[in-house]
Amino acid sequence: SAVISQKPSRDICQRGTSLTIQCQVDSQVTMMFWYRQQPGQSLTLIATANQGSEATYESGFVIDKFPISRPNLTFSTLTVSNMSPEDSSIYLCSVERGEGETQYFGPGTRLLVL
Amino acid sequence: AQKITQTQPGMFVQEKEAVTLDCTYDTSDQSYGLFWYKQPSSGEMIFLIYQGSYDEQNATEGRYSLNFQKARKSANLVISASQLGDSAMYFCAMRAGGYNKLIFGAGTRLAVHP
Repeated sequence: SAVISQKPSRDICQRGTSLTIQCQVDSQVTMMFWYRQQPGQSLTLIATANQGSEATYESGFVIDKFPISRPNLTFSTLTVSNMSPEDSSIYLCSVERGEGETQYFGPGTRLLVL
Repeated sequence: AQKITQTQPGMFVQEKEAVTLDCTYDTSDQSYGLFWYKQPSSGEMIFLIYQGSYDEQNATEGRYSLNFQKARKSANLVISASQLGDSAMYFCAMRAGGYNKLIFGAGTRLAVHP
């Protein structure tokens, strides 16, 4: 498995502001993934972050809204920019490890935008 | 297109009994992976079990087993001897098409009653 931490664990933000979420992994990984889970919904991949290159965004997600940094092989950040109430979600990072390249998730960041 | 279908929005089971959570998938790829995750109310995503498309044996992990029926494209999760702590959302997920992203089903909420 993998030991993954996320900061903050939860936050309440005002609309129009930005929040940066941090994800730290216990050992080096090539790819890190960022998912969003809107209330009562399933998980949707936002982007894949490789160290040393631009993140790859899924359809419906853009870099201006969700800029991602990947400064080294154990750390990544996701910023939720110019937030609106629709951005209220759980944001989770994950990494691949082991059999089947299983993805292991961090504890998540619960975001509420007022 | 890749798709995961979980048709049971909610299930309940008596403590110590077994329960089956349904999952069907759709892919034209020959090589794919199927995963089950548990999400308690805390929001974290806990990996339970993995089945590769070429695995001939059904995967088992403790009280969890995956009933893999390739021809029917189903990958049902069986939880034996249910415990109160099993109450959570359960998500079926697939990785296919040579991509690293996971595609999730809508989830099934399991309630274990004493």
